[in-house]
Amino acid sequence: AQSVTQLDSQVPVFEEAPVELRCNYSSSVSVYLFWYVQYPNQGLQLLLKYLSGSTLVESINGFEAEFNKSQTSFHLRKPSVHISDTAEYFCASLAGNKLTFGGGTRVLVKP
Amino acid sequence: SAVISQKPSRDICQRGTSLTIQCQVDSQVTMMFWYRQQPGQSLTLIATANQGSEATYESGFVIDKFPISRPNLTFSTLTVSNMSPEDSSIYLCSVMTGVEYEQYFGPGTRLTVT
Repeated sequence: AQSVTQLDSQVPVFEEAPVELRCNYSSSVSVYLFWYVQYPNQGLQLLLKYLSGSTLVESINGFEAEFNKSQTSFHLRKPSVHISDTAEYFCASLAGNKLTFGGGTRVLVKP
Repeated sequence: SAVISQKPSRDICQRGTSLTIQCQVDSQVTMMFWYRQQPGQSLTLIATANQGSEATYESGFVIDKFPISRPNLTFSTLTVSNMSPEDSSIYLCSVMTGVEYEQYFGPGTRLTVT
């Protein structure tokens, strides 16, 4: 069975500071990994994904995540956050057709 | 991508009653999913609904409590039956388009049971 662990439930960060959201996965088979974002009172949006190939993947709004097989991690980073990045972020793994989500990390960007 | 709408967007229901949530997709998709997001928590898969077959339920979810219909490739319904306050959650529909394993989510239905 697969599982996804997000190590931080909340991350307060000042505007223009860097942020890292940690995600570890557990699976006995190859997985595909995703980060989703949920802005306040909105649905989930796909932020980025890792399927294969380059272990560093990027989103269009400045986030990046690195797949590390040896550490079974898929941490999400942004070098400089904006107020608009305030949201909840979910790491997820896909095996077969089933998405398994982590517990979520709430990011609060302070001015 | 896929554009997904859900009805209703929110509802307040009395315990013991049932609510049917509708999910409409703007394109034909084979795989549809229903998730529950309890207050302050992550998403949990309730069931997978493929057109032409019975829904497949995850551990802890049963058809009598959460009957699902999938009459065609663009539509599905989830019914929450005999509701109790513990069913207060956001219920989300999602689809997998087949493009690089991406899943897209509807805006959710916020259900409060009193």
